Amino acid sequence: QIQLVQSGGEVKKPGASVQISCKASGYTFSSYDISWVRQAPGQGLEWVGWISVYSGKTNYARRLQGRVTMTTDRSTDTVYMELRTLRSDDTAVYYCGRGGYMTGYDYWGQGTLVTVSS
Amino acid sequence: QSVLTQPPSVSGAPGQRVTISCTGSSSNLGAGYDVHWYQQLPGTAPKLLISRSTNRPSGVPDRFSGSKSGTSASLAITGLQAEDEADYYCQSYDSSLSGVVFGGGTKLTVL
Repeated sequence: QIQLVQSGGEVKKPGASVQISCKASGYTFSSYDISWVRQAPGQGLEWVGWISVYSGKTNYARRLQGRVTMTTDRSTDTVYMELRTLRSDDTAVYYCGRGGYMTGYDYWGQGTLVTVSS
Repeated sequence: QSVLTQPPSVSGAPGQRVTISCTGSSSNLGAGYDVHWYQQLPGTAPKLLISRSTNRPSGVPDRFSGSKSGTSASLAITGLQAEDEADYYCQSYDSSLSGVVFGGGTKLTVL
């Protein structure tokens, strides 16, 4: 069955970096884009960015540009999202989802809680 | 303030029909970009309910339907059930922002 499995929760200090992984299985990895969405505690969904697994092309949310990088490892069917210079308002559950803006996200990872606190 | 506007809450009794609106602008829904709808139960990842404005993915009950016209879209739920109590989000693409945008979410309460 199709699954996206994310890495575990992280606790980071302000100014640090975090990298979250999203490992895909059950489908042809290179045939689908992967997107990232975050949700701060008690808040709505916020788009973080998108990566074309096939080409490596990326598109990031403007407010995060310069701090976020998404990469793929096609040898392990894994997508990575790195967020740098963390701030307290980056505290959120981060989700990966299969798909892009045209199709919506039909499968989701279980979420990774990133807590930024001094 | 979200680019796509949804009512914060809606409610209905079991068996009733409810609709959730999603209002955008000329740079997203009005530009012809599709809307997608998600259901999020507490403590879980969102689930795709409606894709490309009107399409139900496999496994989604036909009680859920989507429509889109101009700068607005709607999600309709008929035969309301207790298990439908959740948060619902609309999503589209915005050409001015060159990125994906979400509505602020609507909490559905089944009375």
